[in-house]
Amino acid sequence: AQTVTQSQPEMSVQEAETVTLSCTYDTSESDYYLFWYKQPPSRQMILVIRQEAYKQQNATENRFSVNFQKAAKSFSLKISDSQLGDAAMYFCAYRKNQGGKLIFGQGTELSVKP
Amino acid sequence: GAVVSQHPSRVICKSGTSVKIECRSLDFQATTMFWYRQFPKQSLMLMATSNEGSKATYEQGVEKDKFLINHASLTLSTLTVTSAHPEDSSFYICSAGQGGYTFGSGTRLTVV
Repeated sequence: AQTVTQSQPEMSVQEAETVTLSCTYDTSESDYYLFWYKQPPSRQMILVIRQEAYKQQNATENRFSVNFQKAAKSFSLKISDSQLGDAAMYFCAYRKNQGGKLIFGQGTELSVKP
Repeated sequence: GAVVSQHPSRVICKSGTSVKIECRSLDFQATTMFWYRQFPKQSLMLMATSNEGSKATYEQGVEKDKFLINHASLTLSTLTVTSAHPEDSSFYICSAGQGGYTFGSGTRLTVV
């Protein structure tokens, strides 16, 4: 069975600094998708970034980038130039390529200090 | 982009009554939708996969008779919490779509 693990329950970063959130996963599949979702206090789930396993190039979206290490089954999220609005719960998620359900990690609560 | 609408956003019901939550895909057709439950400061727990025109697939440990799911059209799935009790109080979220999936805004259910 696939599992997703986020080992950092809480993280803190100074405004304008960079922070990295960790995520590891376990799967026997060779083709799959990985995601980072943001859940602010409103509790609306927002897709931050996604990575296709077959792509070697790390995905980037503006200030957000990932470090995808397929062999190590690691998928970390780097937030550059952190802003107060980045404060939220962040969830790492996995999905098989054929579609189907998302499997979520436990979440990391990120706080941003002014 | 894909938009998923979920209603109501908040509902308070009396113990023993039933409550229905709607999840609609506004600009795309969704043959599959997903229903999650989330407790404060915890991750999303998948309850069931809703399949248009067929029975839902429930995750292990989820009571099918308590959490009734209907996916009668390509744009609407409903979750009915039957004979609700205080322990059913939670935040319920639906999702649908391609790629990364889009989530509804969630429903906070309080059973008193």
